[in-house]
Amino acid sequence: DGGITQSPKYLFRKEGQNVTLSCEQNLNHDAMYWYRQDPGQGLRLIYYSQIVNDFQKGDIAEGYSVSREKKESFPLTVTSAQKNPTAFYLCASNPNSNQPQHFGDGTRLSIL
Amino acid sequence: QKEVEQNSGPLSVPEGAIASLNCTYSDRGSQSFFWYRQYSGKSPELIMFIYSNGDKEDGRFTAQLNKASQYVSLLIRDSQPSDSATYLCALGGFSGGYNKLIFGAGTRLAVHP
Repeated sequence: DGGITQSPKYLFRKEGQNVTLSCEQNLNHDAMYWYRQDPGQGLRLIYYSQIVNDFQKGDIAEGYSVSREKKESFPLTVTSAQKNPTAFYLCASNPNSNQPQHFGDGTRLSIL
Repeated sequence: QKEVEQNSGPLSVPEGAIASLNCTYSDRGSQSFFWYRQYSGKSPELIMFIYSNGDKEDGRFTAQLNKASQYVSLLIRDSQPSDSATYLCALGGFSGGYNKLIFGAGTRLAVHP
């Protein structure tokens, strides 16, 4: 079945540690996105990528980094510079940026 | 003013009734409008999308768009307890050099038997 796979489902970060969240899709979609959701809040865009080897900052990119070396994969690194990383992280994709986005199951990140 | 406004709720309706969820927006340039359903602890799931003024129906769901008044609504007919979730309104538009979705904070719907 085609879809978006995020891993791990739960992740814990220690002080000063970088952690990487995985997002893989087999939908052959060009565009991929990372969002952050805090309790009771809407989704906020962290980074997005429209094609391989290209990505742009979203509204809250500080403390995060991404790469897009393959069409299927768009990993997100939460760096130690992100002082409040506890949130629900969602990866999404669409065939192009004008189409509806579909989401993975998310990764819940907490601080130890 | 927030770009996308939704009443946080909870909106409580009895089983079998019509639930009406509303969303207002500030950017007149928005071209595409989406409704997502999000169960507690889960990721958003696309319910409807609408691009033109008027109504669009899909089963028990109807999306209504009025660009002049800058609002989009979602009607759920014959509401079921399984419809209890948070409904997110999202707008598509071109901003900062790219097409992006802007999400509202969501309306929590509770359907009681």
